[in-house]
Amino acid sequence: KNQVEQSPQSLIILEGKNCTLQCNYTVSPFSNLRWYKQDTGRGPVSLTIMTFSENTKSNGRYTATLDADTKQSSLHITASQLSDSASYICVVSARTGRRALTFGSGTRLQVQP
Amino acid sequence: DTAVSQTPKYLVTQMGNDKSIKCEQNLGHDTMYWYKQDSKKFLKIMFSYNNKELIINETVPNRFSPKSPDKAHLNLHINSLELGDSAVYFCASSQGLPDSYEQYFGPGTRLTVT
Repeated sequence: KNQVEQSPQSLIILEGKNCTLQCNYTVSPFSNLRWYKQDTGRGPVSLTIMTFSENTKSNGRYTATLDADTKQSSLHITASQLSDSASYICVVSARTGRRALTFGSGTRLQVQP
Repeated sequence: DTAVSQTPKYLVTQMGNDKSIKCEQNLGHDTMYWYKQDSKKFLKIMFSYNNKELIINETVPNRFSPKSPDKAHLNLHINSLELGDSAVYFCASSQGLPDSYEQYFGPGTRLTVT
């Protein structure tokens, strides 16, 4: 069964600090992995998409890594800001054509001043 | 301009009623989706349409019926609402099939069934 597990469930950090969120998956055959940011009361917004051949991708202060061998991904946030407070969702796609997006339950990040 | 829009943003109704949520995208995308996000924040796909053809239909009660009058619209009609239907419903769209293309989400519709 395809699964995506994220850790930690929640995280509190001080403004300016760095943090790393984890995503482990068992989706097969692997197509791509995405990280989404979801602000409270809003829809998810895509941060990065990585395919099998990519092991790192950045979007501003967000850097995602992918290890397809161990089926792990991480999202690193540098110099956190209050606006980074949100849920971060890992989504893995299987190479089956029409379907199979498996969502993680998300990590709730709170950045405090 | 709003890329993916949903109406209404909030919907409060009683058990047994029938309600609809509308979704429109102006991105020119071929594929649209409905997701349900429960209280634990898990996003679950319900339906997906590609060029007005239903391509994903997860295990969703028959009370839920999607309608796609054209590629830019995907509406969700819910009959005989139940307490367990209370959730946030998100519409999304993508340029092509879901495993290959980035999805753009609407702002969500918070449905409360009393």
